[in-house]
Amino acid sequence: AQSVTQLDSQVPVFEEAPVELRCNYSSSVSVYLFWYVQYPNQGLQLLLKYLSGSTLVESINGFEAEFNKSQTSFHLRKPSVHISDTAEYFCAVSGVGAAGNKLTFGGGTRVLVKP
Amino acid sequence: GAVVSQHPSWVICKSGTSVKIECRSLDFQATTMFWYRQFPKQSLMLMATSNEGSKATYEQGVEKDKFLINHASLTLSTLTVTSAHPEDSSFYICSASLTNTEAFFGQGTRLTVV
Repeated sequence: AQSVTQLDSQVPVFEEAPVELRCNYSSSVSVYLFWYVQYPNQGLQLLLKYLSGSTLVESINGFEAEFNKSQTSFHLRKPSVHISDTAEYFCAVSGVGAAGNKLTFGGGTRVLVKP
Repeated sequence: GAVVSQHPSWVICKSGTSVKIECRSLDFQATTMFWYRQFPKQSLMLMATSNEGSKATYEQGVEKDKFLINHASLTLSTLTVTSAHPEDSSFYICSASLTNTEAFFGQGTRLTVV
């Protein structure tokens, strides 16, 4: 079984400022790690994922996350946010080798970008 | 990327009636789909795993007789909320996978039971 903890339920940030969303997980098996973004009344869109290899992964829109095995963390960062980054962000894990992509989600972090 | 279509995007129904939600993988075949439920300002909770050609696997605490799942083809899974009550009002989201390393989500269905 896995569990995911997102330490911040809400993060207000000014436009062009950096942001970090924290995510910690626990699992008895090896996991894949994901960050998803959700806009109001919509489904989830994948931001980035860690499967193996380099512990730093990047998205096309400027987000990056670093897998830290010793700290069981997968924090998400962006050096300069835009108004359009206002959304809910979910960290998720799935067990390596599990059928399909069955995800366990964190509680979510609501990012509110202020002008 | 792959596309998953969920229908309807919103539905209002009377208490005691049943509602069917469809989840389709449009450009790939998915032997496994997942159904999640999301309460306002909360995270997604897995309800069940939908397996093509076999019975769904429900998470602990989810009533299988209330939330009927059918996965009759490799591109379609349906979730039927039977005898719906106001407490069933929620946002329901499905996902489908090509591999075990990525899931594609539907747009979600907002169910309101009055």
